[in-house]
Amino acid sequence: AQSVTQLDSHVSVSEGTPVLLRCNYSSSYSPSLFWYVQHPNKGLQLLLKYTSAATLVKGINGFEAEFKKSETSFHLTKPSAHMSDAAEYFCVVSRKPWRALTFGSGTRLQVQP
Amino acid sequence: EAQVTQNPRYLITVTGKKLTVTCSQNMNHEYMSWYRQDPGLGLRQIYYSMNVEVTDKGDVPEGYKVSRKEKRNFPLILESPSPNQTSLYFCASSSSKGALLLGANVLTFGAGSRLTVL
Repeated sequence: AQSVTQLDSHVSVSEGTPVLLRCNYSSSYSPSLFWYVQHPNKGLQLLLKYTSAATLVKGINGFEAEFKKSETSFHLTKPSAHMSDAAEYFCVVSRKPWRALTFGSGTRLQVQP
Repeated sequence: EAQVTQNPRYLITVTGKKLTVTCSQNMNHEYMSWYRQDPGLGLRQIYYSMNVEVTDKGDVPEGYKVSRKEKRNFPLILESPSPNQTSLYFCASSSSKGALLLGANVLTFGAGSRLTVL
């Protein structure tokens, strides 16, 4: 079985400050891990993915995430938040590439001016 | 433009009135899937399809049906909708070949269909 826990349902930061969105996963096998972003009234868009290559993964819009097997974590970070980053972010785990994906419950990121 | 198209985007209906939400993709993807999104629960998979005529249940299939007669289309059918099926629905697709190459199933999502059952 696999599961994913997003530790914060809501995160608020000021523009220009760092962003940290936390994700822990559980998987019996080596997982693939993803972060998706959902802007208001939009579908989900892939931010980045981890597939057992480099543990530090860079994504779009300056986001990156680090896979830490010992901590079973895949936290999403960005050095400096922009207003356009305000959205809901989902951490996703998959055991095999074509099997069902398990989504976290989401973290809503608010960026204050 | 490569995309997943869902219709309708918004629908209000009444309990028991059959409805279909259509999903079409133009990327020749083998894999297609339906999710529902509810506050605090993230996205939960309803059904998925590995290819034409191959479908399987996801985590929350009760009350839904699907079919995959053509590669590009994957309609979601609610035979007798109930209020607990009020939700935001997303269709998504991916290339199985791409997934095997990448080692990851990267989904392309539709814009969503907001369904209200009264």
